[in-house]
Amino acid sequence: SQQGEEDPQALSIQEGENATMNCSYKTSINNLQWYRQNSGRGLVHLILIRSNEREKHSGRLRVTLDTSKKSSSLLITASRAADTASYFCATPSNTGKLIFGQGTTLQVKP
Amino acid sequence: DAGITQSPRHKVTETGTPVTLRCHQTENHRYMYWYRQDPGHGLRLIHYSYGVKDTDKGEVSDGYSVSRSKTEDFLLTLESATSSQTSVYFCAISEVRSPSGNTIYFGEGSWLTVV
Repeated sequence: SQQGEEDPQALSIQEGENATMNCSYKTSINNLQWYRQNSGRGLVHLILIRSNEREKHSGRLRVTLDTSKKSSSLLITASRAADTASYFCATPSNTGKLIFGQGTTLQVKP
Repeated sequence: DAGITQSPRHKVTETGTPVTLRCHQTENHRYMYWYRQDPGHGLRLIHYSYGVKDTDKGEVSDGYSVSRSKTEDFLLTLESATSSQTSVYFCAISEVRSPSGNTIYFGEGSWLTVV
């Protein structure tokens, strides 16, 4: 069963625009993570936000967490063609394992 | 990049044959994981290990077995491969159990096709 679900499934934007992806989850969590996967590669960790944090920044990335709505968003500002990838949220399940959503595929057009 | 090596990276095998995928890490991390990634299903945990000879099942463990005789190696075996096991397999490692907040690091994947 999926713990995190990303929305939208696919997103296409022009270089320089901002990209926003959302993740909803079902049960209470103590942290939520975002990963990026380039085509044909493994996943790479981007950022972790804890349940007592509302917002976190890392370079051009901004992550928010709303535990009351059980949702998180990932904002990529001033996108570049190199940001083209799939983005996954991951949350710990009630049995302690890390569960990934199905991802949002982002295409940034030059 | 985390020191994770998966082998083989690509393999085509016939239905009914045994297949073993190897994951080797140089980070001395305690936890190791095997995931499979399929369209429409995202990443699903197959098995994981929390120490040498200590393993446990994930959400899609049927048809798979694992072994960890050394800290650095985690083997995934398909005893009798089926077409439904055609997938991309990712090994991952973490220093502590992931829900406590530490990140996990992924290998580059092994593409398995069962014909």
